[in-house]
Amino acid sequence: NAGVTQTPKFRILKIGQSMTLQCAQDMNHNYMYWYRQDPGMGLKLIYYSVGAGITDKGEVPNGYNVSRSTTEDFPLRLELAAPSQTSVYFCASSYSSGSGKETQYFGPGTRLLVL
Amino acid sequence: AQTVTQSQPEMSVQEAETVTLSCTYDTSESDYYLFWYKQPPSRQMILVIRQEAYKQQNATENRFSVNFQKAAKSFSLKISDSQLGDAAMYFCAYKIGGGSNYKLTFGKGTLLTVNP
Repeated sequence: NAGVTQTPKFRILKIGQSMTLQCAQDMNHNYMYWYRQDPGMGLKLIYYSVGAGITDKGEVPNGYNVSRSTTEDFPLRLELAAPSQTSVYFCASSYSSGSGKETQYFGPGTRLLVL
Repeated sequence: AQTVTQSQPEMSVQEAETVTLSCTYDTSESDYYLFWYKQPPSRQMILVIRQEAYKQQNATENRFSVNFQKAAKSFSLKISDSQLGDAAMYFCAYKIGGGSNYKLTFGKGTLLTVNP
């Protein structure tokens, strides 16, 4: 299993540009998540999904959109990039049986620089 | 709101020695889970160890063990026989139990340096 994969690894955007960060997992996990990590801080949840076709906002959703058309893929869309979105973005997935005890597994991250 | 505090921004240890990283958390919940994640320079978040709050026994994973003090809301990580590859940022994280709870709350991290 490749686990959780993310592309690209690094990207520079100009202010106002848009882009999609890709995330895929091959573990048949039903839950997927997007986090951002700002310098010197822990991760903060942007959006999450509990299954195909179902998404919901996390702590810091403004400026982002997500979709989940398949179990495997969970892309994150940035519209009108702003310098405040400069960060490292992590995708994660987990399998939930409804007990709440699942462990999240993370991808390698995408470093985004908005200039 | 739940909070996770890591009071040591940086720690250092000599190779083969033991080091303990501190974490405290604030919650009114009785069902929850605690995690330690390792983030090496590659930036990937790697699960080190997990503890269920309902379990009194401290979790262990090879050289990594925790000291879980539920009443004190403390969850420290002990790394024994430290290796150069242990050098990384370590994050403590908390998650409420229950089927509809998904959110991980992270501390700010402790940067561990391992000296040869």
